[in-house]
Amino acid sequence: GAGVSQSPSNKVTEKGKDVELRCDPISGHTALYWYRQRLGQGLEFLIYFQGNSAPDKSGLPSDRFSAERTGESVSTLTIQRTQQEDSAVYLCASSLRGQRGATDTQYFGPGTRLTVL
Amino acid sequence: GENVEQHPSTLSVQEGDSAVIKCTYSDSASNYFPWYKQELGKRPQLIIDIRSNVGEKKDQRIAVTLNKTAKHFSLHITETQPEDSAVYFCAAIGTGRRALTFGSGTRLQVQP
Repeated sequence: GAGVSQSPSNKVTEKGKDVELRCDPISGHTALYWYRQRLGQGLEFLIYFQGNSAPDKSGLPSDRFSAERTGESVSTLTIQRTQQEDSAVYLCASSLRGQRGATDTQYFGPGTRLTVL
Repeated sequence: GENVEQHPSTLSVQEGDSAVIKCTYSDSASNYFPWYKQELGKRPQLIIDIRSNVGEKKDQRIAVTLNKTAKHFSLHITETQPEDSAVYFCAAIGTGRRALTFGSGTRLQVQP
């Protein structure tokens, strides 16, 4: 079946502008995660959605970052008033259940490369 | 929260040699430890994982070992090939979290 998809694949924006990144999880996956990967570095957790539960926002670096998810489908990550340090690849992943401490495999999308000039 | 440390940051081996990457974790309640391979410009791909109820798992040339007492786990790649060249990330998930905590990555270079 189709994997996790993300759009756009690349986004170049000017400092101060808002951006929206989109993630389409694997159909049937109830859990959805956003990660950030700066150049040459590891993956940094941002936010997690599980079904209709309140999202875990503990990884969001500032109040300029927010995310929404409609039911168990598409999610959008919004970055307001972008800064140069926001430049990174933003990766989305989904898993089947994502219960606390679950061992479900997370499948990653191809990422959105964000460049803030 | 969980903290995962990964070593080495870079590793260069000759084709056919073995490669070992080690990770330590801090949350003794962690129960799932996946390894991801990320080729340049590509998404991370799961290559192997291990759960806390087993000590070792093998899949062809790749194996992972887990020492719960010492809180460390390792990735072993035997008979390395140039196509194994990539960045490898370990990760762990503890009962207090729902998202993976990743190590900082190891860049493996297999010299032909």
